[in-house]
Amino acid sequence: GEDVEQSLFLSVREGDSSVINCTYTDSSSTYLYWYKQEPGAGLQLLTYIFSNMDMKQDQRLTVLLNKKDKHLSLRIADTQTGDSAIYFCADHGSSNTGKLIFGQGTTLQVKP
Amino acid sequence: DVKVTQSSRYLVKRTGEKVFLECVQDMDHENMFWYRQDPGLGLRLIYFSYDVKMKEKGDIPEGYSVSREKKERFSLILESASTNQTSMYLCASSSQLGGYTFGSGTRLTVV
Repeated sequence: GEDVEQSLFLSVREGDSSVINCTYTDSSSTYLYWYKQEPGAGLQLLTYIFSNMDMKQDQRLTVLLNKKDKHLSLRIADTQTGDSAIYFCADHGSSNTGKLIFGQGTTLQVKP
Repeated sequence: DVKVTQSSRYLVKRTGEKVFLECVQDMDHENMFWYRQDPGLGLRLIYFSYDVKMKEKGDIPEGYSVSREKKERFSLILESASTNQTSMYLCASSSQLGGYTFGSGTRLTVV
């Protein structure tokens, strides 16, 4: 079935760039999403990319999509301590029920 | 500001109790979802609903049921709570092609 994979942990220093990677298996994906979860909270939509796009930039966030390799990445420029959170990649796929397939989440630790 | 509201942030219940977790959205979304989140296991889909009175089993429906009598409300029911249902429960809603909007979560402890 459809699957989404992420590495579990990333540690960076404040001010560096962070790159969180994700791979997915569904070749008919329409939208791909990045969510952020701060401790004890629900998930918050950060950004998304439509499958016919290669890149999307939104302030400090850059999403890159390589559809051939089914690889998605989220780059956070000038990472701050407030960016410490769990980041989830999600694939809409071809489902008409709106169901997303989530990765396991990547914990981003930002060291001062 | 659009919202998904979960009725409780923290709940403590006894083993064997019937537990209701309520979720309400104000966005007129068709789809609603219940997940549980456990360390190391990510998000696991329990049930979802794509219309009033419709429900579909997710990946881990055992021990749970749901109710969707009105479009805006999706309830998760633990028929007889057990300690292995101690978890963070997350409700979400979405339109057909949109991303999810999540509630703040309910941390349930079963003792």
